[in-house]
Amino acid sequence: IAGITQAPTSQILAAGRRMTLRCTQDMRHNAMYWYRQDLGLGLRLIHYSNTAGTTGKGEVPDGYSVSRANTDDFPLTLASAVPSQTSVYFCASSPGSGGGTDTQYFGPGTRLTVL
Amino acid sequence: GQNIDQPTEMTATEGAIVQINCTYQTSGFNGLFWYQQHAGEAPTFLSYNVLDGLEEKGRFSSFLSRSKGYSYLLLKELQMKDSASYLCAVRDSNYQLIWGAGTKLIIKP
Repeated sequence: IAGITQAPTSQILAAGRRMTLRCTQDMRHNAMYWYRQDLGLGLRLIHYSNTAGTTGKGEVPDGYSVSRANTDDFPLTLASAVPSQTSVYFCASSPGSGGGTDTQYFGPGTRLTVL
Repeated sequence: GQNIDQPTEMTATEGAIVQINCTYQTSGFNGLFWYQQHAGEAPTFLSYNVLDGLEEKGRFSSFLSRSKGYSYLLLKELQMKDSASYLCAVRDSNYQLIWGAGTKLIIKP
């Protein structure tokens, strides 16, 4: 593989269920990000990681958690899904730790529906 | 608060030129990005500006004025495949990207 993969592609989930969205990159990028994209709104940052072993909260972190055990993987977990978490979720990565011309590259996205 | 403004939708004709504007108010400025996003797909990087002026890359150019909090993306010789949403994003003082809602560009034959 080359780039970023996300799984699943789409998912319908009952409210209250736990769900983990997977994200893997093979570019050896240091930084990784999780965004949600909702109609009429810009991409909103949920959580980020500047390097393996560290994570930080973005603009909309409530109800979500992440871990970064290694460079390649950055899973996003919804502990108890609610309908307002219905969205398209994008994982992204960038080579450095966020400065300079550090460009973010996006995975194909996961379309999540919470009923 | 932080704010990125772009027009919601624009229409242009194949072969023509279109300019998509972006104005921003952010806490700090560490560069401005333009991304293209086709429907149902991921955003893909188009351009980056950190200094005032015009950056040209083939049919696409991007302009920045930091004093005015303003950027535009210029697309020349429009093709049908340019029908997409164009996202403006600013890197703020925390080195996080703040995103506009995007401009949906419709190209007509």
